[in-house]
Amino acid sequence: GQQVMQIPQYQHVQEGEDFTTYCNSSTTLSNIQWYKQRPGGHPVFLIQLVKSGEVKKQKRLTFQFGEAKKNSSLHITATQTTDVGTYFCATAFGNEKLTFGTGTRLTIIP
Amino acid sequence: GAVVSQHPSWVICKSGTSVKIECRSLDFQATTMFWYRQFPKQSLMLMATSNEGSKATYEQGVEKDKFLINHASLTLSTLTVTSAHPEDSSFYICSANKGRAFFGQGTRLTVV
Repeated sequence: GQQVMQIPQYQHVQEGEDFTTYCNSSTTLSNIQWYKQRPGGHPVFLIQLVKSGEVKKQKRLTFQFGEAKKNSSLHITATQTTDVGTYFCATAFGNEKLTFGTGTRLTIIP
Repeated sequence: GAVVSQHPSWVICKSGTSVKIECRSLDFQATTMFWYRQFPKQSLMLMATSNEGSKATYEQGVEKDKFLINHASLTLSTLTVTSAHPEDSSFYICSANKGRAFFGQGTRLTVV
């Protein structure tokens, strides 16, 4: 079945440093979505990208969809303690069921 | 945004018993809902697609007789874990779509 890999699996950064997580698929994706899950919580939708090469920004977060639509990245500038959590990419198929990436767990060192 | 409510948020049950988890779309109708399972420090894995008025569609490797899904109305889907065993202990999350996916709060099931 469809597999979406994410790297790194874990990332520990000093508060104020930047953070990037990468999402890769072996097949072309029609869309990519990003979610954040706080410890003990449920996934919260961040954004959806559908166009080749698309870049979207939300304050300190920058999302990018690759030209070939096989990879995506999420970059956080100047991390804050509130950024702690696991970031998942996901892709939606026909009836909108989601296949999630493996996730990147971000911890912040104050 | 839309609201999806899941109940209970946590449950502890004895091995061999059954547990029912409810997922409700509070302010919109959902003909389709999705059930996911998440083991500690792992990703969300889709278990099944719940279809209002018809049988659920299960992902490969998910036992339909063990994880019973009922989608009796446009706002309610239930997942019943039958004859639960310790290895069924996990975080179960439902979602419904209204433009995008909205997730329930999740149910942490512990089978002792």
